[in-house]
Amino acid sequence: KAGVTQTPRYLIKTRGQQVTLSCSPISGHRSVSWYQQTPGQGLQFLFEYFSETQRNKGNFPGRFSGRQFSNSRSEMNVSTLELGDSALYLCASSLFADTQYFGPGTRLTVL
Amino acid sequence: GEDVEQSLFLSVREGDSSVINCTYTDSSSTYLYWYKQEPGAGLQLLTYIFSNMDMKQDQRLTVLLNKKDKHLSLRIADTQTGDSAIYFCAGGARRKLIFGQGTELSVKP
Repeated sequence: KAGVTQTPRYLIKTRGQQVTLSCSPISGHRSVSWYQQTPGQGLQFLFEYFSETQRNKGNFPGRFSGRQFSNSRSEMNVSTLELGDSALYLCASSLFADTQYFGPGTRLTVL
Repeated sequence: GEDVEQSLFLSVREGDSSVINCTYTDSSSTYLYWYKQEPGAGLQLLTYIFSNMDMKQDQRLTVLLNKKDKHLSLRIADTQTGDSAIYFCAGGARRKLIFGQGTELSVKP
């Protein structure tokens, strides 16, 4: 079974721009979670979607948003990019309980 | 709030056992997890333990859970150079995982 896939793998943007990242979960998984990983803050939870509904949200500003489609694929969007948004963005999918399987991540660099 | 603490570095010789420790504050976690991250990669789920278990063994990996002290450990037997990576423990509920800072394991030949 294919794992979690994320596109693109690498992205370079400039301050003020917006960006959309995509995540395809493992087939049959309906829950998708997003995390941000930075050297300073470590791994931080952004939000979780299940059946197209956001069920849980971390402590991030409203510039960070997401959505989930009927096929369980998910996107996250960051508007008005800041230098501090440079990070590895990880997506994880889950079938049951809290056990999450992660994708390879999207490395975002904001210049 | 919820917090997970890990030591930052561990260095061992190839063939030795490695023990990575973790403490957590949140008792509501149903499961506790260990993930491995290699350079430039995502997180690989290594193993997990149900919160009402004390120990779980999975090939070279042994997880010990002390609920009273809120202490979790991961033992890797016969550590190999390919085990060099960052190891994260994580707990949480409702699919919101809280991660430790990660322990960088260095395995010397």
